[in-house]
Amino acid sequence: GDSVTQTEGLVTLTEGLPVMLNCTYQSTYSPFLFWYVQHLNEAPKLLLKSFTDNKRPEHQGFHATLHKSSSSFHLQKSSAQLSDSALYYCALSDGGTGSKLSFGKGAKLTVSP
Amino acid sequence: EAAVTQSPRNKVAVTGGKVTLSCNQTNNHNNMYWYRQDTGHGLRLIHYSYGAGSTEKGDIPDGYKASRPSQENFSLILELATPSQTSVYFCASGDGAGGDGAETLYFGSGTRLTVL
Repeated sequence: GDSVTQTEGLVTLTEGLPVMLNCTYQSTYSPFLFWYVQHLNEAPKLLLKSFTDNKRPEHQGFHATLHKSSSSFHLQKSSAQLSDSALYYCALSDGGTGSKLSFGKGAKLTVSP
Repeated sequence: EAAVTQSPRNKVAVTGGKVTLSCNQTNNHNNMYWYRQDTGHGLRLIHYSYGAGSTEKGDIPDGYKASRPSQENFSLILELATPSQTSVYFCASGDGAGGDGAETLYFGSGTRLTVL
């Protein structure tokens, strides 16, 4: 079945350094890939999504490019901010109405001054 | 104005007791989901629904039931709570395929359940 493998556990960065959270996937079909972000004591919310190969959606300084050749959807940001500290989930669905999301195990990003 | 509201925010239950977690959405979405969140496991799907009167089993349904009496409301029921069900539970509504074919989920703020 579909599955997602992402950077897990704790990731600590100094403010101003680049952010890179890895995400690779396995899927029988041509999937949709997502990044969800959850700030402390808040609900998870969509950060980015993509279906198109080699397209790079961006939001709030974050971007991720779907590479179907390598089954990857890595999340990047050029310069980390303190407010980027949060839990990040990569997720996958095979698209369409009611298509269930499969989430990775999550990475907790902490950005320090 | 939160579009997905969960209640209660916190709950302490005893082993063997019955627990009901409630979720209400004002997004008018057909699809609703229940997830649990555990460190090291991420978000795992328990039950979901495509509309009033329908419920489907997710990836980890054992020990849980779900009820969707209306478009707006979706409940998760633990008939006989166990300590292993101690977790944070999130409800979400989904916008279907959306404009681009990819469903986006809108989550509630979660219910922290402790089973003693």
